[in-house]
Amino acid sequence: EVQLVESGGGLAQPGGSLRLSCTASGFTFSNYWMTWVRQSPVKGLEWVANIRQDGVAKNYVDSVKGRFAISRDNAKNSIYLEMNSLRAEDTAVYFCVRIFLTSGSGIYDYWGQGTLVTLSS
Amino acid sequence: DIQMTQSPSLLSASVGDRVTITCRASQGISQDLAWFQQKPGKAPKSLIYAASSLQSGVPSKFSGSGSGTDFTLTITSLQPEDFATYYCQQYYTYPPTFGQGTRLDIK
Repeated sequence: EVQLVESGGGLAQPGGSLRLSCTASGFTFSNYWMTWVRQSPVKGLEWVANIRQDGVAKNYVDSVKGRFAISRDNAKNSIYLEMNSLRAEDTAVYFCVRIFLTSGSGIYDYWGQGTLVTLSS
Repeated sequence: DIQMTQSPSLLSASVGDRVTITCRASQGISQDLAWFQQKPGKAPKSLIYAASSLQSGVPSKFSGSGSGTDFTLTITSLQPEDFATYYCQQYYTYPPTFGQGTRLDIK
């Protein structure tokens, strides 16, 4: 059974940092692109970043470029999202998602349960 | 960025009904469109990709159609577990973008 489990969310201050993790199981992790998608009441569902199987190719939404960094460790079946210079608008539930077909920007199949990031001073 | 607009935003229906949700892209996206179902407090669930292909395990009561800029999701014989929010998403180009959602409520 495919499982994606996110962790690392919590309360952060504007300008602060957080590191999200997503650990996968039930499939050969190193064969898949992976992505982060976030959801907030204000912006709805928003794609954040994705990463290729080898960890070299990465893509980001403009609003997080230079502030967020996606990475992966195939030995640990995990992807990460390092979030710096956090802003109020980064408040959201962050989902880890598997890309099962690399058509266009990627076709999603399995989603994690999400981890909540809240910005508050 | 490509804008995805869903209609209606709210749809009320009864158990046993057939409903259709529309999604329009601000520019042509071929058939690079997916549909997701989300229930309160849960992660989205992938239903359809390539406009009309069902994800593994998704019942055939769900169907999708369209190409270019106009797409539809149809759900037949509504059951209580189908009442949820539905989202479309284009993956034709970066950044992938989602519609604002259609909430399907029990009438």
